[in-house]
Amino acid sequence: DTGVSQDPRHKITKRGQNVTFRCDPISEHNRLYWYRQTLGQGPEFLTYFQNEAQLEKSRLLSDRFSAERPKGSFSTLEIQRTEQGDSAMYLCASSPRTEETQYFGPGTRLLVL
Amino acid sequence: SQQGEEDPQALSIQEGENATMNCSYKTSINNLQWYRQNSGRGLVHLILIRSNEREKHSGRLRVTLDTSKKSSSLLITASRAADTASYFCATLTDSWGKLQFGAGTQVVVTP
Repeated sequence: DTGVSQDPRHKITKRGQNVTFRCDPISEHNRLYWYRQTLGQGPEFLTYFQNEAQLEKSRLLSDRFSAERPKGSFSTLEIQRTEQGDSAMYLCASSPRTEETQYFGPGTRLLVL
Repeated sequence: SQQGEEDPQALSIQEGENATMNCSYKTSINNLQWYRQNSGRGLVHLILIRSNEREKHSGRLRVTLDTSKKSSSLLITASRAADTASYFCATLTDSWGKLQFGAGTQVVVTP
């Protein structure tokens, strides 16, 4: 059990560029979650996968955001045409079952200039 | 909107003292979880307490849950400088596993 990993840890990009983040969950965890956290706030739910199926998306996830989890393993979160308001920490978590502990990765900190 | 609200927003104590923070929420829950976050890092899970439980312990941590008042408390006993962090409560209210977090309590423990 090596924990949840995320890559990259930091990303600086210019407004209008596309960025992609990767999350590798704990092996055998079939639930995977993405959250976004802005400074001074708690994380906010973005989307959820059970295996490869994306089952819920927050209204925070605009059309510029897309997430995938091919083959139910790692997941990617892509933001197209980034805006300064997208600057935040993007956190990934995984769990073995819905009502169990969610284990979080270290996060990807995005800064849009 | 965030489901939980932590109180106080900030807490400053000296090593050896106890730290207590509270969490209130609005709707019925499946479980409530407490997390710690060191500055700029990911969240570390501390304790999960289910809706049919009233109290749980883990090392120096004690969590209580009062579903009639829709509130929970986290007590850290004999605090250490390493306990300096932000503490978040998160509630699980649906079948998808979506956690709803409060804004957190920032705890500073001075030697």
